[in-house]
Amino acid sequence: DIVLTQSPTTLSVTPGETVSLSCRASHSIGTNLHWYQQKTNESPRLLIKYASQSISGIPSRFSASGSGTDFTLNINNVEFDDVSSYFCQQTQSWPNTFGAGTKLELK
Amino acid sequence: EVQLVESGGGLVQPGRSLKLSCAASGFTFSNYYMAWVRQAPKKGLEWVATISTSGSRTYYPDSVKGRFTISRDNAKSSLYLQMNSLKSEDTATYYCARHPTLYGGYDYWGQGVMVTVSS
Repeated sequence: DIVLTQSPTTLSVTPGETVSLSCRASHSIGTNLHWYQQKTNESPRLLIKYASQSISGIPSRFSASGSGTDFTLNINNVEFDDVSSYFCQQTQSWPNTFGAGTKLELK
Repeated sequence: EVQLVESGGGLVQPGRSLKLSCAASGFTFSNYYMAWVRQAPKKGLEWVATISTSGSRTYYPDSVKGRFTISRDNAKSSLYLQMNSLKSEDTATYYCARHPTLYGGYDYWGQGVMVTVSS
């Protein structure tokens, strides 16, 4: 199975900061990597597909990059509404797997 | 508006069965792969099953293979998950999700339904 390792586990930031969340795959997955946001007691929401492709309706402050084994989700000018857990998911091979998540908190 | 509404959750004893349903609306259901994803309390996300547009192909992780069966009824725009031989570790919120392509991300999710396996 492909293991996705997300770091950091928790990130505490000040509103207005720019942050980067990491997702590393145990094997190359090309760009079959997707990012989700999940707020407390809500369903996950797709933020980015295929490593860097934007999703309609998602604020432009969310962007992402990467291929192969190293991937990054960037959030520019973090807002209070961004307090959430962020998960990456690979669909390169079965079983599809998710990372353990990064929890974003505000100072 | 795309909507996915799960139902059928509840409390069930270990070893028993339960069937979840997901009613889809707002899109042409038969054109999309569909998936089930679960989340144990305070834990991360775990993919549970995927089904092709026609239902001819299904995919499962080892943790549920042989116990869970995903199916669909395109005429009813409905997705199902038959769960047999349930274990305590199957306790989770179960989400159905739309899967535009086999390798794509899940672009719409239901609100989730809780399944608790306990004696």
